[in-house]
Formats: sequence, C-alpha cells, structure tokens
Amino acid sequence: SQKIEQNSEALNIQEGKTATLTCNYTNYSPAYLQWYRQDPGRGPVFLLLIRENEKEKRKERLKVTFDTTLKQSLFHITASQPADSATYLCASYNNNDMRFGAGTRLTVKP
Amino acid sequence: GAGVSQTPSNKVTEKGKYVELRCDPISGHTALYWYRQSLGQGPEFLIYFQGTGAADDSGLPNDRFFAVRPEGSVSTLKIQRTERGDSAVYLCASSLTPGLQSGELFFGEGSRLTVL
Repeated sequence: SQKIEQNSEALNIQEGKTATLTCNYTNYSPAYLQWYRQDPGRGPVFLLLIRENEKEKRKERLKVTFDTTLKQSLFHITASQPADSATYLCASYNNNDMRFGAGTRLTVKP
Repeated sequence: GAGVSQTPSNKVTEKGKYVELRCDPISGHTALYWYRQSLGQGPEFLIYFQGTGAADDSGLPNDRFFAVRPEGSVSTLKIQRTERGDSAVYLCASSLTPGLQSGELFFGEGSRLTVL
C-alpha cells in the first residue's frame, strides 16, 4: 500500500543548531511533497513545496530536499529558535488527495 | 472572512447522536478537503470535493459518515449514530488549484468532537 511516513515522533535540539526532519514514502511516486507546521490546537500551515524534478528548495531559514532515488524528503531548519517548536508534517499529493505523515514534534530548547 | 472557517469549534455529544460540522472555505477555492486528526497523529484523509462533487471519498471510515457541498462552497460533514471512537479534531482545508499545479492547502482551525 502507498505510505508516507515520518519516522521520528519527536526531536529535541538546542537553540542555534540545525534541525533535520525526515519524510519517507513507499509504493508510489508523488509529483511533489509539501511541508506544514502545526501548533497545538491549530490547523496546519503550509511552509514549502518541492517538486519531483527539484533537488532542493529554500525559504529563509528553511530548506527542503527531495531524493526520488531514496524516496525521501529532508526538512532543515537552520539557526533554530525556541519559536520554531511545533509539529512538522510532510504531505504528498497522489491521485485526487493529499496524504499526511504522522508528524514530528520539534522542541528547540534555549 | 479571509481564511477557512469551521463551526462549531467544539462539540460535545452523546453516543448515538447525530452531528453536523460545517466548513466555509476561502472564496473562490474549488477544492475542499476534510481530514480527521487524533491526538499525536497526522491528519487522516476523509473526503475531497472538486466543486460540488465528491472526487474522492475513499477515506470515509464507514457509512455513518457523509459529506455534502451542494453549491460548491460551504461543506457539511455529517456523522450519524456517533461512537466514542469518532472523537477527534475534524479539519477542513481548501485549495485554489488542486492537483499537479500547486495544491497548497489552507486549513481551518478544526472542530473538536467529543463523543461521551
């Protein structure tokens, strides 16, 4: 069956370090992957989209990569801040719908 | 309003009751999605509308769940004979250009359903 998975439930890092989150997909080839941020009690908010023909995409302190050989996307937050603490979700489009991973809860400690 | 609006924000009901959850998408967005999210989990796809029609309802868990979007704007998710396992946050999202062009989803704040 088609799956999109985020292997780490939680990630704790020190302020100023780079956070790296992983998203893997199996048994399908998405045209693009998206990353969302979700704060407690709120709906997810779109951050970045990367297409299958793009290796890397950047936005301010965020960087996303897409490796179609490894079937994996990496999401990086450089110079992390406590305000970056949230759950980060990856999502992929397949056929008619968007499917989400379970999310990784990032905590950045001061 | 500027964003996706969901009502009610909280709903507490008893097992066996009927519940309706409403979603008002961003004006002009033709694609509308319903998701269900349990604590510590990612959003679970339920149904996708393109205009008035349900393009994909494969995520609806059983026939107690039904959704409509009669005029291609507001959508209502209907749950009959609610069960305790239906307790979750129900998220609605809309998109201007679904599919291969962009697909960025704009989410509402969700409706938290608690079935006692």
